[in-house]
Amino acid sequence: GAVVSQHPSRVICKSGTSVKIECRSLDFQATTMFWYRQFPKKSLMLMATSNEGSKATYEQGVEKDKFLINHASLTLSTLTVTSAHPEDSSFYICSASLSQGDFTDTQYFGPGTRLTVL
Amino acid sequence: AQTVTQSQPEMSVQEAETVTLSCTYDTSESDYYLFWYKQPPSRQMILVIRQEAYKQQNATENRFSVNFQKAAKSFSLKISDSQLGDAAMYFCAYRWYRDDKIIFGKGTRLHILP
Repeated sequence: GAVVSQHPSRVICKSGTSVKIECRSLDFQATTMFWYRQFPKKSLMLMATSNEGSKATYEQGVEKDKFLINHASLTLSTLTVTSAHPEDSSFYICSASLSQGDFTDTQYFGPGTRLTVL
Repeated sequence: AQTVTQSQPEMSVQEAETVTLSCTYDTSESDYYLFWYKQPPSRQMILVIRQEAYKQQNATENRFSVNFQKAAKSFSLKISDSQLGDAAMYFCAYRWYRDDKIIFGKGTRLHILP
């Protein structure tokens, strides 16, 4: 089946630093990748949608200058949390869409990255 | 705007018994997909079952089945012969067929009692 990986699985950083999270589709090409944020005991909140080679589309309320998304290839998307602060601490999950070109594609989720900002 | 509502924050079921998780949704669209995702303690989201709105037949996957009532906008998940490994957070989700975005409910935490 389709496998999506994320790296790192866990990261702790100091306030003010930037953190990069990678999302890779291991055995398929993903034209679209998604980034979600999940607070403790809460649902997934879509942050942005990224398509290979184009700018990401951010959901309302998500700061695009703070959460930089790059989808450089069909198998890799990165989320960079710039100048991280304690309120950015959260669980970040990516998903990749196995596109069949007719909107029947399924999203496959990565295992998530826990970010803790001290 | 589309919304997904899961009215049961937590549920418990005895091992080997059957449990039904509720989900309702609101949409003005006629073509869409509905999903149940499982998130175990590992936090990995796993697709449990998927239903296309145009299909009248309820989807089934082994011990998991749904009761899809399109007119009532209801999409419940039945887990038969519950196992300890079924303990997880279950999310009901909706996607319009011409959109990539998935809208998740708030989840139901399922406990399996040995």
